[in-house]
Amino acid sequence: NAGVMQNPRHLVRRRGQEARLRCSPMKGHSHVYWYRQLPEEGLKFMVYLQKENIIDESGMPKERFSAEFPKEGPSILRIQQVVRGDSAAYFCASSPARGDNEKLFFGSGTQLSVL
Amino acid sequence: QKEVEQNSGPLSVPEGAIASLNCTYSDRGSQSFFWYRQYSGKSPELIMSIYSNGDKEDGRFTAQLNKASQYVSLLIRDSQPSDSATYLCAVVLSGAGSYQLTFGKGTKLSVIP
Repeated sequence: NAGVMQNPRHLVRRRGQEARLRCSPMKGHSHVYWYRQLPEEGLKFMVYLQKENIIDESGMPKERFSAEFPKEGPSILRIQQVVRGDSAAYFCASSPARGDNEKLFFGSGTQLSVL
Repeated sequence: QKEVEQNSGPLSVPEGAIASLNCTYSDRGSQSFFWYRQYSGKSPELIMSIYSNGDKEDGRFTAQLNKASQYVSLLIRDSQPSDSATYLCAVVLSGAGSYQLTFGKGTKLSVIP
């Protein structure tokens, strides 16, 4: 039973480019959460999605960031026109039910570096 | 005041000793508390959860919660070099959805053989 799969593991972008981060939840999980970990900071909640729905995006920056979780395929976190301050580790987590923190599993993260 | 605070460390303990990790939180209404372990470059992994005042033991790990003082701690008995990692305290704040974890910055633990 594969865990939460994120790709790519490392992503390098130049300022102004777009970054697309992918997350496939664990089998049987339909709730996906994205967190960002800036250097020397704790994990910060960004967005919570269910299939085809954004439930809570209160942690997402107002501009340039968007997320989706389509009916088919992985969840995507998209960052347009990246800036150096976007450099961070982006973690995805999934659970089988809303707020089921006992069964919440994290992926290995995508390390985004903006040059 | 930060919502969830931890000493960043590093905390160094000799092998076989007890490691004590502490976390304080600002929201008195918080009800759910978690400890995660994160090895360098890896995903956070849940090791303990606690919801009621007192102690909760699981193997070599004991979580302690004191809601009146707003702190939660993690004790690791008989520390092993493999316990060397960053330990993250996470809290569900009362104003947030039950799915939204607020993390501290983590405490880096180093167990010296």
